[in-house]
Amino acid sequence: DAKTTQPNSMESNEEEPVHLPCNHSTISGTDYIHWYRQLPSQGPEYVIHGLTSNVNNRMASLAIAEDRKSSTLILHRATLRDAAVYYCILRKTGANNLFFGTGTRLTVIP
Amino acid sequence: GAGVSQSPSNKVTEKGKDVELRCDPISGHTALYWYRQSLGQGLEFLIYFQGNSAPDKSGLPSDRFSAERTGGSVSTLTIQRTQQEDSAVYLCASSLSVGQGTYEQYFGPGTRLTVT
Repeated sequence: DAKTTQPNSMESNEEEPVHLPCNHSTISGTDYIHWYRQLPSQGPEYVIHGLTSNVNNRMASLAIAEDRKSSTLILHRATLRDAAVYYCILRKTGANNLFFGTGTRLTVIP
Repeated sequence: GAGVSQSPSNKVTEKGKDVELRCDPISGHTALYWYRQSLGQGLEFLIYFQGNSAPDKSGLPSDRFSAERTGGSVSTLTIQRTQQEDSAVYLCASSLSVGQGTYEQYFGPGTRLTVT
């Protein structure tokens, strides 16, 4: 499975935008880019996913590079509740399995 | 609506004993997954059930691990002759199948297993 690379940790001030990067240079044309997050002591929760075009939903935006070798999860206004580990995952078309890496631990500073 | 539920929430067992962990998926979800998360680590895929198809067991770490899904709903993960390295949080997730056009997995709260 294609690998993703994320920074181990990031910090953001409350109410500021946050840009969480992910590199996936070996992505194939049929791989979807998924983001999940895991709040402390909880199971992961879905954030967003995309294939080629940028995506927006109520939680976040996903910006995908034109060559698809990297993507950025954008939280428009960080809140304390957004403090979590964020996982960038590639999923092959037709496959349901997700292979989680170690993710980025986001700390939100009040 | 009701989410994915798991029981027990915590389980402490002695090395060498067998344990069973239960997962109740969201009603109508045909796909069910088991993962485990060791302390400070990311999630490790274990097994995946899709409808009536044979499960994908490629992530099971040894033959001491097995899982069943009865009636296409509830699933039980069994660990035989538990070892200390089995200590982890075991997470269950469910989703609609690929054919139904959505891939979001919904996770339960997990079962924390401690082997002493």
